[in-house]
Amino acid sequence: QIQLVQSGPELKKPGESVKISCKASGYTFTDYAMHWVKQAPGKGLKWMGWINTYTGKPTYADDFKGRFVFSLEASASTANLQISNLKNEDTATYFCARTRFAYWGQGTLVTVSS
Amino acid sequence: DVVLTQTPPTLSATIGQSVSISCRSSQSLLHSNGNTYLNWLLQRPGQPPQLLIYLVSRLESGVPNRFSGSGSGTDFTLKISGVEAEDLGVYYCVQSTHAPDTFGAGTKLELK
Repeated sequence: QIQLVQSGPELKKPGESVKISCKASGYTFTDYAMHWVKQAPGKGLKWMGWINTYTGKPTYADDFKGRFVFSLEASASTANLQISNLKNEDTATYFCARTRFAYWGQGTLVTVSS
Repeated sequence: DVVLTQTPPTLSATIGQSVSISCRSSQSLLHSNGNTYLNWLLQRPGQPPQLLIYLVSRLESGVPNRFSGSGSGTDFTLKISGVEAEDLGVYYCVQSTHAPDTFGAGTKLELK
């Protein structure tokens, strides 16, 4: 069956970096794009962007340009999200989701606190 | 960016009641290829979202047929015909016709 399994929760200090992974299984990884979605505590969903898993080309929403990087380890069927220079407002659960939002990872909680 | 306005923000229902959620878009979601990329998701407490409806009215595999979607252009509706306890949570509409993808603010379905 199709699964997206994300890495575990992270506790970071402001200014640090974090890398979240999303490992796909049950389908051909390069056939479907991967999206990233942010959900701040108690808030709604915000689309961060997506990565073409065939070419590796990322597309970022305006609010996520600069400190956010989408990458791939295609041989491992894994998509990654790296956030640098963390700020308190980056505290959120981050989800990966396959094309059409048909399949979602379980979410990774990133807490940024001094 | 396309703004999706969901109403109501909160919905109270009894088990068995039929309810509807509205999603209105700031611009038409009809793509030049003839498709309308408007989906509905349900997020249960503590869970990732789950796809219910895609392309306005197509039921995702495994989703009960008490869920239905309708609409066109800028006005869309999700209907639940006979709410069950497992339907409680937050419902989101999401559009992918125009970049960037955008989500509605959500409608919380509660038990009355």
